[in-house]
Amino acid sequence: DAGVIQSPRHEVTEMGQEVTLRCKPISGHDYLFWYRQTMMRGLELLIYFNNNVPIDDSGMPEDRFSAKMPNASFSTLKIQPSEPRDSAVYFCASSQQGVSGNTIYFGEGSWLTVV
Amino acid sequence: AQTVTQSQPEMSVQEAETVTLSCTYDTSESDYYLFWYKQPPSRQMILVIRQEAYKQQNATENRFSVNFQKAAKSFSLKISDSQLGDAAMYFCAYRSYGNQFYFGTGTSLTVIP
Repeated sequence: DAGVIQSPRHEVTEMGQEVTLRCKPISGHDYLFWYRQTMMRGLELLIYFNNNVPIDDSGMPEDRFSAKMPNASFSTLKIQPSEPRDSAVYFCASSQQGVSGNTIYFGEGSWLTVV
Repeated sequence: AQTVTQSQPEMSVQEAETVTLSCTYDTSESDYYLFWYKQPPSRQMILVIRQEAYKQQNATENRFSVNFQKAAKSFSLKISDSQLGDAAMYFCAYRSYGNQFYFGTGTSLTVIP
């Protein structure tokens, strides 16, 4: 089975540019999570969706960040405008209610560098 | 809110030896799940082992096993016969009844040949 698929794997962009990260969750999974990982702050939950509906976005750092899930198989995390402090690894993850203890499965991450 | 604490930022183990990574958590829930994830240098987060809180028996996956002490809110990971490929960052995670996941700050494991 295909796992969680993220793109791009690596992105280098200039400050002020718009960045869009994409995620395809595991088929059948009804929860989708966006995490950010940095050395300073560790693994942070940004937002999560249940059945395509945002449930908790309290981790989204500021208005420059937005996330959408237009359907069960696709989600985006957008940063506009990007800043150097946004440099991090962004993970998308998914899980299925009531299956395997709702184990969360991660994508390989999107490495973002803002210069 | 639930918290997950990993008090060992770094650990090392000799190849073929056994090492135990510690994790404690704070919760008022009675039904939850606990996980250990491994993150090698590639940064991929890989599930190592899962434990249901309602199960008394400690979970085991090949060389990986846990010591789950529900009353003490402790969930340690034991790696037996350590291999070079076990070198990674290990994260303890708690899944609440509401499907929120909380991660510890991680333990970096070095395996010495």
